[in-house]
Amino acid sequence: AQTVTQSQPEMSVQEAETVTLSCTYDTSESDYYLFWYKQPPSRQMILVIRQEAYKQQNATENRFSVNFQKAAKSFSLKISDSQLGDAAMYFCAYRTESGGNTPLVFGKGTRLSVIA
Amino acid sequence: DGGITQSPKYLFRKEGQNVTLSCEQNLNHDAMYWYRQDPGQGLRLIYYSQIVNDFQKGDIAEGYSVSREKKESFPLTVTSAQKNPTAFYLCASGSGRASGTYNEQFFGPGTRLTVL
Repeated sequence: AQTVTQSQPEMSVQEAETVTLSCTYDTSESDYYLFWYKQPPSRQMILVIRQEAYKQQNATENRFSVNFQKAAKSFSLKISDSQLGDAAMYFCAYRTESGGNTPLVFGKGTRLSVIA
Repeated sequence: DGGITQSPKYLFRKEGQNVTLSCEQNLNHDAMYWYRQDPGQGLRLIYYSQIVNDFQKGDIAEGYSVSREKKESFPLTVTSAQKNPTAFYLCASGSGRASGTYNEQFFGPGTRLTVL
């Protein structure tokens, strides 16, 4: 079974600075998807960014980018120019490419605080 | 607007009672999922359904039951056999790769269940 590990339960960053959240995963598959979800205090889960394993290029979405290292099974999230609204729980998630609409496997999350 | 709705937002249950959490989607997604969220545990899969009239157990299915009689609905029943049901419950839906959404899952706003 696949597992996802987020080794940083809590992180903090100064407003306008850059922060990197870590995620590692364990799988024997070669094709899969990786995601970062954000959960603000409202508890609504919001997709931040996604990466297909077959793509070598790292995904970017505005101030959010990933460092995808397939061989190392690492998928870190970098947030640039941090804003107060970035404060939230961040979850890394894995999904197999095979088997149709399979569920996500989540890490335990990293709570990010943004300091003004 | 297309989306996922969950009701109620807050639910209180007495010991020994069964309760049903509602989840409805109008995104025309084939697959639907139930996750449970506890502090420090991330999201754990309870049940999922890839197609109408079919569903599979997740990692923590004991004490829960589901049905999938309609594409747009996937209710979750928390039975009295669930020993520690107090948690935040999230419903999600997703479509296949052909739709262009890269197997993304969309989440509802959640239901907070408290056992009195």
